[in-house]
Amino acid sequence: DVKVTQSSRYLVKRTGEKVFLECVQDMDHENMFWYRQDPGLGLRLIYFSYDVKMKEKGDIPEGYSVSREKKERFSLILESASTNQTSMYLCASNFGQGRNEQYFGPGTRLTVT
Amino acid sequence: QQPVQSPQAVILREGEDAVINCSSSKALYSVHWYRQKHGEAPVFLMILLKGGEQKGHEKISASFNEKKQQSSLYLTASQLSYSGTYFCGTAIQGAQKLVFGQGTRLTINP
Repeated sequence: DVKVTQSSRYLVKRTGEKVFLECVQDMDHENMFWYRQDPGLGLRLIYFSYDVKMKEKGDIPEGYSVSREKKERFSLILESASTNQTSMYLCASNFGQGRNEQYFGPGTRLTVT
Repeated sequence: QQPVQSPQAVILREGEDAVINCSSSKALYSVHWYRQKHGEAPVFLMILLKGGEQKGHEKISASFNEKKQQSSLYLTASQLSYSGTYFCGTAIQGAQKLVFGQGTRLTINP
């Protein structure tokens, strides 16, 4: 069974803290994605990776960075968390090309106080 | 630029039909449809490719109008289990990423 897991379902951090969100997939997918979901705005792409150590900016990369050292793992990093980064973060993965369905993780609800 | 979904929300009684639209300003290669139930991850429903046929999945089907860069999702004889938020995701030729619409919240009442 296809599986994408995220390290935490809920996370509370203070302003200025460094935050790591981890995502692991067990399907040997080339592509991995990080989205942010906010009410009324849908899913917005932060970063994606199409291979180990390869990454591309999405539509809202400001304030975020990513790391992909192994094929199955993709990390989202908030260098200095701010309150406007309070949101639901979703990880997804798929095989190459936009014609292939994406599999989503359960999400991490991050609150920055 | 995000595709635009309409309506933003719809409330139906069980057994009624619904249509959700997704419009893009870009020339599209594919359109994906996903459903997200409250508190859960989005789940893939179907994909429509440029030049491809209309897709179907149980009582849920979709079409892709390449000239208008629009896709429509059809839910017939809706069931309570169809409740959730529906997202379209669009891709241009050669792209590995999707751009998602803002979502349409569908509520089915008994």
